[in-house]
Amino acid sequence: DGGITQSPKYLFRKEGQNVTLSCEQNLNHDAMYWYRQDPGQGLRLIYYSQIVNDFQKGDIAEGYSVSREKKESFPLTVTSAQKNPTAFYLCASSIRATAHEAFFGQGTRLTVV
Amino acid sequence: GDSVTQMEGPVTLSEEAFLTINCTYTATGYPSLFWYVQYPGEGLQLLLKATKADDKGSNKGFEATYRKETTSFHLEKGSVQVSDSAVYFCALSVYTGGFKTIFGAGTRLFVKA
Repeated sequence: DGGITQSPKYLFRKEGQNVTLSCEQNLNHDAMYWYRQDPGQGLRLIYYSQIVNDFQKGDIAEGYSVSREKKESFPLTVTSAQKNPTAFYLCASSIRATAHEAFFGQGTRLTVV
Repeated sequence: GDSVTQMEGPVTLSEEAFLTINCTYTATGYPSLFWYVQYPGEGLQLLLKATKADDKGSNKGFEATYRKETTSFHLEKGSVQVSDSAVYFCALSVYTGGFKTIFGAGTRLFVKA
């Protein structure tokens, strides 16, 4: 079955540590996205990538980094520079160059203690 | 800039009641419009979409009409069920050198038996 997979579902880390969230898709989509969701708030765009080896900052990129070395993979690193990293992180993908809908993974809930 | 505003929740209804969730948008271009649904602890799923003015998107008894003159895309359902309890997000997709999706804050719906 085609889809988008995020792992792990729950992640705990100590303050000051970097952590990488995985996102893999087998939908052959060109575009991939990372969103952050906080309680009672909508989704805020962190980074997005339209093609391999290219990505752009979204609205809240500070304290995060990404890479897009393969079409199917778009990992997100939450660095120690992110002031308030505890949140629900959602990865999505879509067909590039048209306003198609986004397909979402199940999300990763990151808790920093 | 581009933005989506939707009614604040939570919305609490009895089973078989009529549902309306208001959504209005601002966009510099001609966006496509979407409604997504999120069940607890999961990612978002596309519920319906409309790509041009006067289009009506519909799915699972939900419907919404793209109203360019009022910049609105209100979600309606004639008779809600307990299983419709979820968070609903209105979103637009607009071209800014690549397509980017912007989400509203979400509206939580509770349906009582």
